Amino acid sequence: DTEVTQTPKHLVMGMTNKKSLKCEQHMGHRAMYWYKQKAKKPPELMFVYSYEKLSINESVPSRFSPECPNSSLLNLHLHALQPEDSALYLCASTQLGQGQETQYFGPGTRLLVL
Amino acid sequence: SQQGEEDPQALSIQEGENATMNCSYKTSINNLQWYRQNSGRGLVHLILIRSNEREKHSGRLRVTLDTSKKSSSLLITASRAADTASYFCATADNNAGNMLTFGGGTRLMVKP
Repeated sequence: DTEVTQTPKHLVMGMTNKKSLKCEQHMGHRAMYWYKQKAKKPPELMFVYSYEKLSINESVPSRFSPECPNSSLLNLHLHALQPEDSALYLCASTQLGQGQETQYFGPGTRLLVL
Repeated sequence: SQQGEEDPQALSIQEGENATMNCSYKTSINNLQWYRQNSGRGLVHLILIRSNEREKHSGRLRVTLDTSKKSSSLLITASRAADTASYFCATADNNAGNMLTFGGGTRLMVKP
């Protein structure tokens, strides 16, 4: 299984809503990532989890809260988002170690904040 | 911050022609990768070239790396309409959880 899955595919939420994005991989990868991508722009790194511990937080606002319940799952909890947070949210995973640098991406969740 | 810059930002060619995309970066790297993205979907890894390599091939793809100029190029030969996508270079810092920093991307359109 070389797939990263993300749910939901699309999400519309109001600024007062709480929602969660989910990401799952069963490749035994020990690093998982959240990226945010605006239209016609490259992905921007938000968070990195290594061995289920948050290792990098790229100065992301606290209205985004990541969680890594186990080595296969990664969540992104959303609360009180702003319209400018509307974007494609991508999850990725990779094995850690020399020679294991390729990242495997999920199809993304397209988020619209009204 | 954005590590790589890509050139051109957009490229339109006819099927059968070759497409060349360039990427420049600013800091020393462990490796440089190229990814493809179809119309707002997930990214797919195409090829990885290490800092001690100068050229790499994979099918119709050819990647070069010039660490003295901090630049890389991706050549797609004999392009097909199905190659229409955005292409991103990404540099890897293996000291930071295999963190990737992406270039701005080249949007390639291959006309049938």
